[in-house]
Amino acid sequence: GQQLNQSPQSMFIQEGEDVSMNCTSSSIFNTWLWYKQDPGEGPVLLIALYKAGELTSNGRLTAQFGITRKDSFLNISASIPSDVGIYFCAGLNSGNTPLVFGKGTRLSVIA
Amino acid sequence: DAMVIQNPRYQVTQFGKPVTLSCSQTLNHNVMYWYQQKSSQAPKLLFHYYDKDFNNEADTPDNFQSRRPNTSFCFLDIRSPGLGDAAMYLCATSRERGGVSSYNEQFFGPGTRLTVL
Repeated sequence: GQQLNQSPQSMFIQEGEDVSMNCTSSSIFNTWLWYKQDPGEGPVLLIALYKAGELTSNGRLTAQFGITRKDSFLNISASIPSDVGIYFCAGLNSGNTPLVFGKGTRLSVIA
Repeated sequence: DAMVIQNPRYQVTQFGKPVTLSCSQTLNHNVMYWYQQKSSQAPKLLFHYYDKDFNNEADTPDNFQSRRPNTSFCFLDIRSPGLGDAAMYLCATSRERGGVSSYNEQFFGPGTRLTVL
């Protein structure tokens, strides 16, 4: 089945720094979703992307749908302690196909 | 606020003792999903309902069953839990499936953490 390669697996950054993470796939997706999961909670949808090349922001978060439709990145600017968590990318295609998740990026912010 | 609710948040059961996890939604979405998530892994889809139509993933063990008595509620039944079934179970909903629009965005509940003794 389709797989997503998400990197990096983990990051340790200083508060105030910018963060970048990305997902790549060997096949195309029609939709890219980015989720954040706090410990012991369910994933929360951050940003959804529907068109190749689309760049979308949500506060300090910015995500882009790669022009080839095989990749997406998420940037977080000026990180704060509450940004700590696991970030998952997920790809979706048309039809009765499941959401495909990356393995997640664990973000730690040092105050 | 419209939301996805899971009860209980924490469930402890004994090896082999049937257990039922509950999910309800106030979003009036057509699709409800059940995922299993083990530590440090991504969620893994078990099955989903599109309205009353049940869709099982090929690799979901027979030990896992689901019921959706109405639009708002969906249950996950584990008939004979094993130690390997200890995990976080996540319910999610979407308005639709299969297209390219915000209707296909999946919204997750807070999860039920299952412990098997």
